[in-house]
Amino acid sequence: QKEVEQNSGPLSVPEGAIASLNCTYSDRGSQSFFWYRQYSGKSPELIMSIYSNGDKEDGRFTAQLNKASQYVSLLIRDSQPSDSATYLCAANQGGKLIFGQGTELSVKP
Amino acid sequence: DTEVTQTPKHLVMGMTNKKSLKCEQHMGHRAMYWYKQKAKKPPELMFVYSYEKLSINESVPSRFSPECPNSSLLNLHLHALQPEDSALYLCASSPLGGANTGELFFGEGSRLTVL
Repeated sequence: QKEVEQNSGPLSVPEGAIASLNCTYSDRGSQSFFWYRQYSGKSPELIMSIYSNGDKEDGRFTAQLNKASQYVSLLIRDSQPSDSATYLCAANQGGKLIFGQGTELSVKP
Repeated sequence: DTEVTQTPKHLVMGMTNKKSLKCEQHMGHRAMYWYKQKAKKPPELMFVYSYEKLSINESVPSRFSPECPNSSLLNLHLHALQPEDSALYLCASSPLGGANTGELFFGEGSRLTVL
């Protein structure tokens, strides 16, 4: 099965900093990519989707996609303690959503 | 109403029991999913239903039996489970087709413990 890879972390950033989360994928056929946030003990929640090369911004979140490098990233500006969660990168592969292992983010006050 | 509702939230069962997990959505989504998630692991796809028909079975053991009675409901029937089946079972729905497949709305999950 084609893979989606993320650093598991934990990634620790101070409050107000930019958190940068990265993801690579192996299936060049993947066309759509997603970032989910999962708080401890809760279910995943979609926060960003991106389908085209370049940047997509939504509030404090920016998703970046580079299909040539098979790379997806999520930037969180002005990080808040409430952003502390596991962030799951996912790629649509043949109608299946394949998740990476997730990166645990900790934002310290 | 943008919720996916799962019941029960917690379930403890013995290896000889038969139980069911239930999922309901009223967003008009025509794709519904069952995922299994172990602690510190990503969700793992089990089954996909499209227009109430089973379209993907990820080689799940037959002790898990999915059912989609109508476009709003999804069940997962459990029988003769093993302790290693203990996990969080997540139901999700999505619009069907194109790049939207991947924009999943998850329920809160059913936490299953098999004794």
